[in-house]
Amino acid sequence: GAVVSQHPSWVICKSGTSVKIECRSLDFQATTMFWYRQFPKQSLMLMATSNEGSKATYEQGVEKDKFLINHASLTLSTLTVTSAHPEDSSFYICSAPLRGPENNEQFFGPGTRLTVL
Amino acid sequence: AQSVTQLDSHVSVSEGTPVLLRCNYSSSYSPSLFWYVQHPNKGLQLLLKYTSAATLVKGINGFEAEFKKSETSFHLTKPSAHMSDAAEYFCVVSGDDYKLSFGAGTTVTVRA
Repeated sequence: GAVVSQHPSWVICKSGTSVKIECRSLDFQATTMFWYRQFPKQSLMLMATSNEGSKATYEQGVEKDKFLINHASLTLSTLTVTSAHPEDSSFYICSAPLRGPENNEQFFGPGTRLTVL
Repeated sequence: AQSVTQLDSHVSVSEGTPVLLRCNYSSSYSPSLFWYVQHPNKGLQLLLKYTSAATLVKGINGFEAEFKKSETSFHLTKPSAHMSDAAEYFCVVSGDDYKLSFGAGTTVTVRA
């Protein structure tokens, strides 16, 4: 099956710093990728849709200046958490759909655990 | 717009007994529905998916789900629970734009 990777798998940073998380589709091209965050013992919340060659679209309530998304190529999307604060500590997960006439399955990265001190 | 409701936040079963996780959906379109499992501090693993083919869908690890349009349900079952089934389970619906809406999740614990 299709594989999506994320890097890093975990990161600890000081408050006020910026953190970049990469999401890569390893064996297929993805013009669209999705970013989610998951707080402990909660469900996944869609943050934004990353679009190759155009601006990301953000869900209501998600600060676009706080969570910068860049879809640099057909296999790479990055999420940068700018000026991170402890409340940004969360599990960040990306996904990419494997498009086809009979298939709209999405493949998820393993997630990135962000801890802001 | 689409949404899913997982009717049980926590299900506890004894090893070897059946598991039932309930999910109801709401969708304006003919939906695609999925069940994912997440083990602690891990990513999501697809158990099974419904995409308008057979209404009874068989997945991995002995799980299956039945799509019932009249009841707008997509319940997940397994005839015999194993200790390794202890995890968080998410029912998910996909719209035409590939956006996924997740249920709140059901925590499954398996008693020895």
